[in-house]
Amino acid sequence: NAGVTQTPKFQVLKTGQSMTLQCAQDMNHEYMSWYRQDPGMGLRLIHYSVGAGITDQGEVPNGYNVSRSTTEDFPLRLLSAAPSQTSVYFCASSYTGDRASEQYFGPGTRLTVT
Amino acid sequence: AQSVTQLGSHVSVSEGALVLLRCNYSSSVPPYLFWYVQYPNQGLQLLLKYTTGATLVKGINGFEAEFKKSETSFHLTKPSAHMSDAAEYFCAVSENDYKLSFGAGTTVTVRA
Repeated sequence: NAGVTQTPKFQVLKTGQSMTLQCAQDMNHEYMSWYRQDPGMGLRLIHYSVGAGITDQGEVPNGYNVSRSTTEDFPLRLLSAAPSQTSVYFCASSYTGDRASEQYFGPGTRLTVT
Repeated sequence: AQSVTQLGSHVSVSEGALVLLRCNYSSSVPPYLFWYVQYPNQGLQLLLKYTTGATLVKGINGFEAEFKKSETSFHLTKPSAHMSDAAEYFCAVSENDYKLSFGAGTTVTVRA
């Protein structure tokens, strides 16, 4: 049971480039989410999904796209990277996403945009 | 709207001393409250949570937190710090399904 996995661990992009951050979980969780972590700001919710084919925006969705074609995978796409997207990105999952649920986090992807 | 304020971005304690991390929240409904810990270069993991019932909640690694509605607080404590407690700690609140709001985090260093 690998839990929540993320790839890559590190990435450097140039402004304007696109890329996809991968996230997978093997716990059969319905709910998956993406956060970004910036110094002094905690974690902020980017997008989330309550099941395959269902996604919604979080607090800071601009510049990011998501899709959920399977229960296991929830990729995050940066369409045209900007320096403001330099951050550490965490994927998380939980059984249902209800407000009492414990969220399980991946190890993170550290992204630098130059 | 929900929000979380963690008082103190850095806390330094001696090994064996009390660890106290402060968290205040605002919520328009009875809140569900969480403490997560992040060890260096790792993801977050749950320490403890309060949903309903007993206001003193015990978590992993000897940590506990008390929900005080009158003070809108959910402070985290550990009676005796260990070197392995060095990490960043996040308080979080959930008002409704699917959305968790995190505080800015408190980094704990433990002095030998």
